[in-house]
Amino acid sequence: DTAVSQTPKYLVTQMGNDKSIKCEQNLGHDTMYWYKQDSKKFLKIMFSYNNKELIINETVPNRFSPKSPDKAHLNLHINSLELGDSAVYFCASSFARGRIVTEAFFGQGTRLTVV
Amino acid sequence: AQTVTQSQPEMSVQEAETVTLSCTYDTSESDYYLFWYKQPPSRQMILVIRQEAYKQQNATENRFSVNFQKAAKSFSLKISDSQLGDAAMYFCAYLSYNTDKLIFGTGTRLQVFP
Repeated sequence: DTAVSQTPKYLVTQMGNDKSIKCEQNLGHDTMYWYKQDSKKFLKIMFSYNNKELIINETVPNRFSPKSPDKAHLNLHINSLELGDSAVYFCASSFARGRIVTEAFFGQGTRLTVV
Repeated sequence: AQTVTQSQPEMSVQEAETVTLSCTYDTSESDYYLFWYKQPPSRQMILVIRQEAYKQQNATENRFSVNFQKAAKSFSLKISDSQLGDAAMYFCAYLSYNTDKLIFGTGTRLQVFP
């Protein structure tokens, strides 16, 4: 069973469109993240949710809106897509309780190409 | 704000030899976690090794070990007996104990030559 799954794996779309990427984890983790990896492989944190609550929002354009219907899901919706949004987007999850901390488990990534 | 720096964009090593990848970080926190992740061409992010800052002993995982110098804020990864399958991007990462914020360095591309 896949621990963190993202769909779709590949997404090609035109400028100006709105698209969503879904993420689900079955690990029982309470923290979920979205990262953007650009063509130079920089991994930049975008958002972090803990128990459905937004705790980190890293100066991401408000065209990007995360939604967490429950703590196992964190979806990313992008409005009015731009060429510069082309990248690989990773979802990840982790668990922390006091000093018990897991590493982040990552999905397989979604390669978004805006044309 | 915390930052993670990997000063080696690319490294190369001969098969069976040893290579060390550098990582430094900046933080005012005393409690945190450090990780090394590997990203092969498949783009899957794979945990290599982790270190809790409150532990003085350096972590080891088979051929992978770290040199954690808390005062110097340094966290290097040593790969012994390098194998062709070790070729990948390696990312150093910092996890804040207080905020759960996980940030990454810019990565080091490791090539392994037969």
